[in-house]
Amino acid sequence: RKEVEQDPGPFNVPEGATVAFNCTYSNSASQSFFWYRQDCRKEPKLLMSVYSSGNEDGRFTAQLNRASQYISLLIRDSKLSDSATYLCVVTQTGANNLFFGTGTRLTVIP
Amino acid sequence: DAGVIQSPRHEVTEMGQEVTLRCKPISGHNSLFWYRQTMMRGLELLIYFNNNVPIDDSGMPEDRFSAKMPNASFSTLKIQPSEPRDSAVYFCASSTANYGYTFGSGTRLTVV
Repeated sequence: RKEVEQDPGPFNVPEGATVAFNCTYSNSASQSFFWYRQDCRKEPKLLMSVYSSGNEDGRFTAQLNRASQYISLLIRDSKLSDSATYLCVVTQTGANNLFFGTGTRLTVIP
Repeated sequence: DAGVIQSPRHEVTEMGQEVTLRCKPISGHNSLFWYRQTMMRGLELLIYFNNNVPIDDSGMPEDRFSAKMPNASFSTLKIQPSEPRDSAVYFCASSTANYGYTFGSGTRLTVV
């Protein structure tokens, strides 16, 4: 079983829509959680960390459910510039490396 | 800061040839990571170093792959001999702690 699993999509949504991605992780000892964004033919870049209490950054809201071992990302009022692949990322206690999901591809349509 | 610098950006080589990918981490970052990305498998960790010491190389596919970090400002990933299935984008990343990874722009390797 993979460490991190995501629905690959693609998600095609109109501008202004709200879209949500979920991700599950297999190791209950996972410690830190992130969402990365990767544009086509570019490197992944940190979008936001995910905290147990949930956190918001503008139009983006991240949630963590430790009991069910899933992480979510909500994007409100989608913009064309939000089109990208969103990668769910976890780390484990005592480990320094990141485990990446395969990503969910989002296309925002005019 | 120029960020994580990788070279070359693109590499096309024939099967059986040696390939060397290079990475310069951000100054002051003490962890360096090599990842490989393909459509089928996504991002996979190959190896990472802490303070120039290899910590986990369990992701290295086989003996054809080797990585070195002779000092804090330079690392190489070598494939010898290369095979078509090695074609992928290879990313180097560096960090100071368990947060804030910065990736390089990647090397797109094609083995024909």
